[in-house]
Amino acid sequence: DGGITQSPKYLFRKEGQNVTLSCEQNLNHDAMYWYRQDPGQGLRLIYYSQIVNDFQKGDIAEGYSVSREKKESFPLTVTSAQKNPTAFYLCASSTGQFLNQPQHFGDGTRLSIL
Amino acid sequence: QKEVEQNSGPLSVPEGAIASLNCTYSDRGSQSFFWYRQYSGKSPELIMFIYSNGDKEDGRFTAQLNKASQYVSLLIRDSQPSDSATYLCAVKAWNGGATNKLIFGTGTLLAVQP
Repeated sequence: DGGITQSPKYLFRKEGQNVTLSCEQNLNHDAMYWYRQDPGQGLRLIYYSQIVNDFQKGDIAEGYSVSREKKESFPLTVTSAQKNPTAFYLCASSTGQFLNQPQHFGDGTRLSIL
Repeated sequence: QKEVEQNSGPLSVPEGAIASLNCTYSDRGSQSFFWYRQYSGKSPELIMFIYSNGDKEDGRFTAQLNKASQYVSLLIRDSQPSDSATYLCAVKAWNGGATNKLIFGTGTLLAVQP
């Protein structure tokens, strides 16, 4: 079945540690996105990528980094510079950046500080 | 700052009634509108999208768009307890061919009472 797989489901970060969240899709989608969701807030865009080897900062990129070496993979690293990393992280993909192409989400990763 | 506004709720309706969820947006250049359902602790799931003024129906769901009033709504007919969730409105604007980001509202919590 086609879909978006995020792992791990739960992740704990120690002080000063970098952690990487995995996102893999087998939908052959060109565009991929990372969002952060905090309780009572909407989704906020961290990074997005329209094609392989290209990505752009979203609205809250500070303290995060990404790579897009393969079409199907878009990992997110939460660095130690991100002082408030506790949130629900959602990866999404779409066929492209065009107006009417919806984004579909993976199951998410919950990140907490130890 | 482009904004998408939703009443946080909770919106409580009896089983079998029509639930009406509303969303307003600030950017007149917005072109595509999406409704997602998010169960507690889960990731958003696409319900419908609409980009032309008027109504679009899909089963028990109807999306309504009024671009002049900058207003989009979602009607759920014959509401069921299983419809109880947070409904996210998302808006995409056209910015001349550059990346068209999705802006999310904070969501409306719907509670369908048996």
